[in-house]
Amino acid sequence: KAGVTQTPRYLIKTRGQQVTLSCSPISGHRSVSWYQQTPGQGLQFLFEYFSETQRNKGNFPGRFSGRQFSNSRSEMNVSTLELGDSALYLCASSFGGVLNTEAFFGQGTRLTVV
Amino acid sequence: GENVEQHPSTLSVQEGDSAVIKCTYSDSASNYFPWYKQELGKRPQLIIDIRSNVGEKKDQRIAVTLNKTAKHFSLHITETQPEDSAVYFCAASKDDMRFGAGTRLTVKP
Repeated sequence: KAGVTQTPRYLIKTRGQQVTLSCSPISGHRSVSWYQQTPGQGLQFLFEYFSETQRNKGNFPGRFSGRQFSNSRSEMNVSTLELGDSALYLCASSFGGVLNTEAFFGQGTRLTVV
Repeated sequence: GENVEQHPSTLSVQEGDSAVIKCTYSDSASNYFPWYKQELGKRPQLIIDIRSNVGEKKDQRIAVTLNKTAKHFSLHITETQPEDSAVYFCAASKDDMRFGAGTRLTVKP
């Protein structure tokens, strides 16, 4: 069974640009959640999508958005990039929802904003 | 919103000893408490989780205890091995998922 796949693995963007990250969940999982990991702020929950609907949301500005497709693949978009958005972005998939069942993480996309 | 505090931030033990990591949470409505292990350069992986209707759960050398009254939960690792060396994150969830800052565990052979 294939694991959670994130693309791309690495990205370098310029401040003010926007970026789109992709996540393919484990087959059969309908929940995809996104996280930001930085040395200073640690691991932070961005949002969760379940069957194409955003179900839960963390405390991030509206520049961070996402969507989920009918095949459960998900994309996260960050607009008007700031230097502080440099981080490892992880996605995870789960069968019943990340807030009450095991989340399986991808390897992450390392975003650098210059 | 929910706040999760995790202690200690670093922990060094001798192989074979036990390790205990503690977390406290603020929202009494939180109902799911997973623990994740993240080795250097790798993705976080769930090692154990507990729900609010259970006080203790054990899986081989790993156990988690939950005290809902005091709003704290703890991870216990017995007979530690060098491969247990990693960063461990606790988390609590209700409407979103809040993580502790992490504990870097080093097991010395």
